[in-house]
Amino acid sequence: AQTVTQSQPEMSVQEAETVTLSCTYDTSESDYYLFWYKQPPSRQMILVIRQEAYKQQNATENRFSVNFQKAAKSFSLKISDSQLGDAAMYFCAYREAGANNLFFGTGTRLTVIP
Amino acid sequence: GAVVSQHPSRVICKSGTSVKIECRSLDFQATTMFWYRQFPKKSLMLMATSNEGSKATYEQGVEKDKFLINHASLTLSTLTVTSAHPEDSSFYICSAPILRVDYGYTFGSGTRLTVV
Repeated sequence: AQTVTQSQPEMSVQEAETVTLSCTYDTSESDYYLFWYKQPPSRQMILVIRQEAYKQQNATENRFSVNFQKAAKSFSLKISDSQLGDAAMYFCAYREAGANNLFFGTGTRLTVIP
Repeated sequence: GAVVSQHPSRVICKSGTSVKIECRSLDFQATTMFWYRQFPKKSLMLMATSNEGSKATYEQGVEKDKFLINHASLTLSTLTVTSAHPEDSSFYICSAPILRVDYGYTFGSGTRLTVV
């Protein structure tokens, strides 16, 4: 079964600094998708960034970028120039190509210190 | 675009009663809707997948008779918690694929259910 592991229950970062959130996953598949979702206090899940496993190039979305290491099954999220609004719970998620299910990690709570 | 509206946002009900949670896709057709449950400070756990016009697919360990899912139209999926008990108190979230599933998913804003 696919599992997604986030080993950092909590992280903190100084405003304007950079922080990296870790995620590893376990799968025997070669074609899949990876996502980072943000859940602020409002509890609304917001897609931050997505990565297709067949693409070697790391995805980037403005201040958010990933370090996708397929062989190591690692998918970390880097947030640059952290802002107060980045404070939230961050979930890493995995989906096998052709399947519907999203498997979520246990989440990392990010605190941004002014 | 790709907004899912979920109602109610909060509900308190008495033990033994039933509660219906609705998720509507506002600007797209959702042939599939996923229902998740999230315990405090925990991850999201998939409960079931609803498909328009057919029976829902439940994950292992989820009681079909307790959590009734209906997906009668391309824009509406409902989750009814029947004969609610305090242990059913949780945060429930629906989600639908955006256009193609590989684009990701859009989520409802969630429903906080408290059974007293």
